[in-house]
Amino acid sequence: GQNIDQPTEMTATEGAIVQINCTYQTSGFNGLFWYQQHAGEAPTFLSYNVLDGLEEKGRFSSFLSRSKGYSYLLLKELQMKDSASYLCAVRDSNYQLIWGAGTKLIIKP
Amino acid sequence: DTEVTQTPKHLVMGMTNKKSLKCEQHMGHRAMYWYKQKAKKPPELMFVYSYEKLSINESVPSRFSPECPNSSLLNLHLHALQPEDSALYLCASSQDGLGTQETQYFGPGTRLLVL
Repeated sequence: GQNIDQPTEMTATEGAIVQINCTYQTSGFNGLFWYQQHAGEAPTFLSYNVLDGLEEKGRFSSFLSRSKGYSYLLLKELQMKDSASYLCAVRDSNYQLIWGAGTKLIIKP
Repeated sequence: DTEVTQTPKHLVMGMTNKKSLKCEQHMGHRAMYWYKQKAKKPPELMFVYSYEKLSINESVPSRFSPECPNSSLLNLHLHALQPEDSALYLCASSQDGLGTQETQYFGPGTRLLVL
């Protein structure tokens, strides 16, 4: 079966750094996406990885290791507005997105 | 412009009503998607249209009927829904649904309540 695992909830402090992990087992791999979703709103695209390594985009970075079936999203200089759910999704061999359940990130002052 | 628009934002309907959800994008994307999302759950794929043709139907009940009038528009017709169908309905689009690097862009969603 296809499976994506990420922690249910994490808490971090404003100004700090947090790493959200995602592990996956899917039938084929055609890229991994991270989306941010605020409560009651639509997911917004954050990053895409298809090759191993780190992709940096401002305060957010995403890492991929295909051999380990592992990715992480790194958020630096946390702000209160970063409180949201972060969804990991993998595109499988049929080009369908398989979604993780999401990690709810709570930022405290 | 990476905007996908959806109307209405909120919808309350009875189990005997017929209503439609609308989605529009002007990014020249040729793939469009309907997702259903329950609270604290990830989006669940319902339908995929690629080049105005239905390419994926994830065993969705017939009370949900998609329609793609043209490459910019996607509708979801609702009839005889059940209370458990209450959810956030998300529309998304991507370049053509076939490329490995394409990203799906989501609309703001329609929050549906079935009484």
